[in-house]
Amino acid sequence: NAGVTQTPKFRILKIGQSMTLQCTQDMNHNYMYWYRQDPGMGLKLIYYSVGAGITDKGEVPNGYNVSRSTTEDFPLRLELAAPSQTSVYFCASTGGQDEQFFGPGTRLTVL
Amino acid sequence: GENVEQHPSTLSVQEGDSAVIKCTYSDSASNYFPWYKQELGKRPQLIIDIRSNVGEKKDQRIAVTLNKTAKHFSLHITETQPEDSAVYFCAGKLAGSARQLTFGSGTQLTVLP
Repeated sequence: NAGVTQTPKFRILKIGQSMTLQCTQDMNHNYMYWYRQDPGMGLKLIYYSVGAGITDKGEVPNGYNVSRSTTEDFPLRLELAAPSQTSVYFCASTGGQDEQFFGPGTRLTVL
Repeated sequence: GENVEQHPSTLSVQEGDSAVIKCTYSDSASNYFPWYKQELGKRPQLIIDIRSNVGEKKDQRIAVTLNKTAKHFSLHITETQPEDSAVYFCAGKLAGSARQLTFGSGTQLTVLP
């Protein structure tokens, strides 16, 4: 099993550009999450999903959108990138035991 | 919603000494408390967790204790080694939530040789 994978690893965006961060898991987990981690800070929940077709906002959803058309994939869309969205983004998933498995992260810089 | 506070933000110990990191949570309905270790540039990885029906759990050199009355839980690392140097995060999960975790702000542990 590859676990949770994320692409790209790094990305630099200009202000106002858009992009999609990809997240895929091969563990057949129903629950998936997107977090952002600012330097020296903890993880803040952006959006989560409890299954295909079902998504909901977390603590810091503004400026982001998600979709969940399959169990495996949970992409995060940034529209009109802003410098405040410079961060490391982690995708995670969990099955029936509460432990969340994290992807390797995407380091995003908005200039 | 749940609020998790973590202390201290930085901790330096001599190799071989013990390290203790403490977290408090706000919602008494929380029932699952994991601890994650994050090395520089890497993803968070679970090192130990505890559920609300248990007071203490050990795994070799690490242990977690939970005091439900006081709503706090602690990570204990004994016989620290340089490879224990990392950022440690605690988290809490509300019962009945979509398995959402609320994370503490992290503790940078440095083990000095």
